[in-house]
Amino acid sequence: QQQVKQSPQSLIVQKGGISIINCAYENTAFDYFPWYQQFPGKGPALLIAIRPDVSEKKEGRFTISFNKSAKQFSLHIMDSQPGDSATYFCAATSGSRLTFGEGTQLTVNP
Amino acid sequence: ETGVTQTPRHLVMGMTNKKSLKCEQHLGHNAMYWYKQSAKKPLELMFVYNFKEQTENNSVPSRFSPECPNSSHLFLHLHTLQPEDSALYLCASSQVSAESTDTQYFGPGTRLTVL
Repeated sequence: QQQVKQSPQSLIVQKGGISIINCAYENTAFDYFPWYQQFPGKGPALLIAIRPDVSEKKEGRFTISFNKSAKQFSLHIMDSQPGDSATYFCAATSGSRLTFGEGTQLTVNP
Repeated sequence: ETGVTQTPRHLVMGMTNKKSLKCEQHLGHNAMYWYKQSAKKPLELMFVYNFKEQTENNSVPSRFSPECPNSSHLFLHLHTLQPEDSALYLCASSQVSAESTDTQYFGPGTRLTVL
């Protein structure tokens, strides 16, 4: 059973645009929601994370919006750059178990 | 070395070979993980070690055998693998306490091809 659903699978954005990736979860025991960025040939790297007691977290051009009642959270990349082209994974943690979404391949065209 | 390192980075093996993947974390964490990443699938958790003790085996076939001699090192021993086991194998570490779990930090992975 897929406990974290991520969409879209792929996303193409023009330079300077806003990239939005959405995730939904089912398990209410999840207590930590990180986003990972993965470039080809590299392991996933933590980008930004949020706990369910806040509705938004912003770090530079990256913002997580969190809706606890709807069990949804999203990543917004403002002023998207070609260097942001990568695969993005949302995830959710309960204890030591990290459950990943299926990933979104983002391409930012120059 | 910093962070989480994995060796080898690439491995090609036949179905009858025996090989091992190595992971080392330089972050002082107490938990280590093996994940499998296949194309177009979510990362699959394989094994979890807390304080060198295996706490989770996510229904992984016995042809994969983990070993955690100490909190900094993790191995994945491979034998009689199948072509469908070809994937990127990722190691991760984190600091786990009774109150919370910190972020997992990943290594670069080993790209495994089984012929």
